[in-house]
Amino acid sequence: GDSVTQMEGPVTLSEEAFLTINCTYTATGYPSLFWYVQYPGEGLQLLLKATKADDKGSNKGFEATYRKETTSFHLEKGSVQVSDSAVYFCALSGPLTQGGSEKLVFGKGTKLTVNP
Amino acid sequence: EAQVTQNPRYLITVTGKKLTVTCSQNMNHEYMSWYRQDPGLGLRQIYYSMNVEVTDKGDVPEGYKVSRKEKRNFPLILESPSPNQTSLYFCASRGQGLGTGELFFGEGSRLTVL
Repeated sequence: GDSVTQMEGPVTLSEEAFLTINCTYTATGYPSLFWYVQYPGEGLQLLLKATKADDKGSNKGFEATYRKETTSFHLEKGSVQVSDSAVYFCALSGPLTQGGSEKLVFGKGTKLTVNP
Repeated sequence: EAQVTQNPRYLITVTGKKLTVTCSQNMNHEYMSWYRQDPGLGLRQIYYSMNVEVTDKGDVPEGYKVSRKEKRNFPLILESPSPNQTSLYFCASRGQGLGTGELFFGEGSRLTVL
């Protein structure tokens, strides 16, 4: 079945460091890809998305490019801030089935801590 | 304000005592879903609902029930909770017109079963 593999954390960086969180996926067809962020004590929020190959999703300084040839969707940010400390989830969603069922498959999450 | 509201946020209970976690959304969304989050396992889908009176099992439905009598509400029922259901639970919703996967999440309900 469809699956998402994220780099294991935790990841600890100093403020203004460069961030990469790796994400690779296995899926049939052409899934949409997402990054969600979970700040401490809160629910998940959509951070960015890409719906087809070579699309780049971006938001709040974060970027990720849908690479079909490497089945990857790595999250990057050029200069992290303390406020970026959170858990980041990569996810994929395949096309709706004939019955209209819907499934979002999440990676296990990567905890990021940014120190001042 | 558009939101998904879960109650209770925190609950400690004992094995076998039935409980319900409520979920309500004010965005008129058709699709609603429950997930549980466990360390090292990420988020796993318990049940989902495509619309009123339409529910289906996710990946880990055992020990849970749901109902969707109204569009805005999607309660999660644990008829006889067991310690392995100790977890952080999230309700999520999505409306038509949004891309698949763009879910709005509640703040979570942390359940401990003793």
